[in-house]
Amino acid sequence: KAGVTQTPRYLIKTRGQQVTLSCSPISGHRSVSWYQQTPGQGLQFLFEYFSETQRNKGNFPGRFSGRQFSNSRSEMNVSTLELGDSALYLCASSPQATNSGNTIYFGEGSWLTVV
Amino acid sequence: AQTVTQSQPEMSVQEAETVTLSCTYDTSESNYYLFWYKQPPSRQMILVIRQEAYKQQNATENRFSVNFQKAAKSFSLKISDSQLGDTAMYFCAFLSGGYQKVTFGIGTKLQVIP
Repeated sequence: KAGVTQTPRYLIKTRGQQVTLSCSPISGHRSVSWYQQTPGQGLQFLFEYFSETQRNKGNFPGRFSGRQFSNSRSEMNVSTLELGDSALYLCASSPQATNSGNTIYFGEGSWLTVV
Repeated sequence: AQTVTQSQPEMSVQEAETVTLSCTYDTSESNYYLFWYKQPPSRQMILVIRQEAYKQQNATENRFSVNFQKAAKSFSLKISDSQLGDTAMYFCAFLSGGYQKVTFGIGTKLQVIP
């Protein structure tokens, strides 16, 4: 069974631009969640999608958004990029919604550098 | 709010020795789940072990075991017969039914020395 796949793996953007990251969950998984990892803040929850609906959102500005498609694939978008958005963005999937207690499985992440 | 505390930023252990990583958490929930994830230099987060709070028996996975003390809200990870491949960041994580997200600790960097 293929794992969680994230694309692109590495990207460099300029301040003010926008970026879209993609995540394909494990086959059969319906929940996708996103995390931002930085050296100073650790892993911070961005949002979770289940059955195309956003179930929960972390404490991030409105520049961060996401969506989920009918095949459970998810995208997250960051608009008007700032230097502080440079981070590893991790996507995770689980069979059911996060609060069901299922283990979440992570992708390899997308490294975003904002210059 | 749920909080997870890992008080050991860095640790080292000799190959083949045993090491214990500490984790404490704070919650008012009674039904929850605890996890240890490993993040090697490749940055892939890998599940090491999972514990369900309602189970009194400590979880084990080969060389990895936990000491789950529910009353003390403590969830430590013991790695036996440490191997070079165990070198990684280890994150303790908490999930409750009432909160729709996993809360992670800040991580412990473990170095296994040959």
